[in-house]
Amino acid sequence: GAGVSQSPSNKVTEKGKDVELRCDPISGHTALYWYRQSLGQGLEFLIYFQGNSAPDKSGLPSDRFSAERTGGSVSTLTIQRTQQEDSAVYLCASSPGSQETQYFGPGTRLLVL
Amino acid sequence: QKEVEQDPGPLSVPEGAIVSLNCTYSNSAFQYFMWYRQYSRKGPELLMYTYSSGNKEDGRFTAQVDKSSKYISLFIRDSQPSDSATYLCAMSENNAGNMLTFGGGTRLMVKP
Repeated sequence: GAGVSQSPSNKVTEKGKDVELRCDPISGHTALYWYRQSLGQGLEFLIYFQGNSAPDKSGLPSDRFSAERTGGSVSTLTIQRTQQEDSAVYLCASSPGSQETQYFGPGTRLLVL
Repeated sequence: QKEVEQDPGPLSVPEGAIVSLNCTYSNSAFQYFMWYRQYSRKGPELLMYTYSSGNKEDGRFTAQVDKSSKYISLFIRDSQPSDSATYLCAMSENNAGNMLTFGGGTRLMVKP
């Protein structure tokens, strides 16, 4: 079946612009995660959605970052007033529940010039 | 100091070699340990999952956890060029789901 999909695959933007990154989780998966992967770094947890519960935003690095999940399915990660240090691969993952294996999408490669 | 340390490599081995990949960690509360494989321009995929100390074998892959030393390993036997990827260790306190802490990944190259 279809895996986790993310769009766009690549995004180049100018410093100060806002960007929106989209994640389509596997159908039926209730948990959704966003991570950031900088060059040579491990995955940095950003935010976690589980069902209709309030999201765990403890990993968001600043108030320029926000995310929402509409209808318990698609999620959008928004970065406002992008900075060069925001350049990274943004990965989305979903799982059937909060205690199960996470399935990752291919990521969105963001470059802020 | 990072919570999870992993040598970035690259580690280059000939086809057929035994590969040893390792992570050390500082949080003694970690109980669940995972290894992910990430091919270039792809998302990570789960390879192995172990709970607490001990060994787990799956085909050519063996995962070892030594909680007393805060050290985990992934061994790959009879390595193949298709094993060339970045290997990420990950761990969590409560279960294999949320709140994973990842190592930085080791890039492995298996040469034919």
